[in-house]
Amino acid sequence: AQTVTQSQPEMSVQEAETVTLSCTYDTSENNYYLFWYKQPPSRQMILVIRQEAYKQQNATENRFSVNFQKAAKSFSLKISDSQLGDTAMYFCAFFYGQNFVFGPGTRLSVLP
Amino acid sequence: EADIYQTPRYLVIGTGKKITLECSQTMGHDKMYWYQQDPGMELHLIHYSYGVNSTEKGDLSSESTVSRIRTEHFPLTLESARPSHTSQYLCASGHGVNSFFGQGTRLTVV
Repeated sequence: AQTVTQSQPEMSVQEAETVTLSCTYDTSENNYYLFWYKQPPSRQMILVIRQEAYKQQNATENRFSVNFQKAAKSFSLKISDSQLGDTAMYFCAFFYGQNFVFGPGTRLSVLP
Repeated sequence: EADIYQTPRYLVIGTGKKITLECSQTMGHDKMYWYQQDPGMELHLIHYSYGVNSTEKGDLSSESTVSRIRTEHFPLTLESARPSHTSQYLCASGHGVNSFFGQGTRLTVV
């Protein structure tokens, strides 16, 4: 069974600074997808970034980038130039077959 | 934002009542999901569907039931609500590996 671990329950960062959220996962599969989702206080989950396991190049989406280490089963999210609107719960998720497995989440607070 | 809607957003109901949480999507997605999420906690898959007349139970045991009579509609029903059912319920629909989430229904059973 696949599992997803996020070891940082809560983090904070000053506005305009950079923060990295950690995620590790466990799977015996070779082809899968990894995601970071953001859940602001309004509670609608929004996709932040997606990584295909077969791609070696790390995904980047504006201020958001990942460090995907397949051998280490690590998938961290870096947020550059943090903004107040980045305050949210961030969930790392693993997708294989048809369904997702979500990590427990990291609550990120961006401080003015 | 994706076109997936959940109603109601908030619901407070007495023990023993029957309730149905609505979820609708206008994207024509075959895959739809229900997750249960306690505040600040991870999501647990309780039901999913890969198309009309297809429903399966998820990883987390739930006393709820679902139906999928139409592609766009995936309601979740609790026949007899209990305080242990108090939680947030998130609906999602998907195409390929992409999923889109509704805003959730926060259910409180008193």
